[in-house]
Amino acid sequence: EAGVAQSPRYKIIEKRQSVAFWCNPISGHATLYWYQQILGQGPKLLIQFQNNGVVDDSQLPKDRFSAERLKGVDSTLKIQPAKLEDSAVYLCASSLGFQSDTQYFGPGTRLTVL
Amino acid sequence: GIQVEQSPPDLILQEGANSTLRCNFSDSVNNLQWFHQNPWGQLINLFYIPSGTKQNGRLSATTVATERYSLLYISSSQTTDSGVYFCAVISNTGNQFYFGTGTSLTVIP
Repeated sequence: EAGVAQSPRYKIIEKRQSVAFWCNPISGHATLYWYQQILGQGPKLLIQFQNNGVVDDSQLPKDRFSAERLKGVDSTLKIQPAKLEDSAVYLCASSLGFQSDTQYFGPGTRLTVL
Repeated sequence: GIQVEQSPPDLILQEGANSTLRCNFSDSVNNLQWFHQNPWGQLINLFYIPSGTKQNGRLSATTVATERYSLLYISSSQTTDSGVYFCAVISNTGNQFYFGTGTSLTVIP
């Protein structure tokens, strides 16, 4: 069974530029999560989808971050415009069901904002 | 949101030693998972354990939900156990995962 795929693995941009990350969850997994992990900290949930609907986006900075999950499969997370403090690893995870299931993580995208 | 604290923050072990990692949480939970983040950043799920005890090889975990803590036991540690261990929870009154502060483990040969 293939795991959660993410791309790109690394991205370097200058502040005020825009960037997009892509995630392909495990086949059949209804729930998809995007996390931000700043160096030395635990992951922080940004947004959670159940199929193609948003379950929770309370910690997503909506003035600059957006995410979508068209057709309930792949998802993209966008930052526009980026700030220095957005430098972090962006992790995508998926689970079969909602809340009560094991989460499986992708390898992450390391973003550096200069 | 729910507070999740882990201890100790750092741990250095000689290969072959045993260890216990603790996760305290501030509210009742319906989901608790332990993860290992290896030195390359990959998060691997170790246990889904909102209550009770589970074992998988040299690892075992116990969650006492009524007292709001969980323990992860690592026996006969190996250098490949090095990395950061996180617990993550969903409270009964919420719908999002909160990760703990992590325990950084270094196993020395």
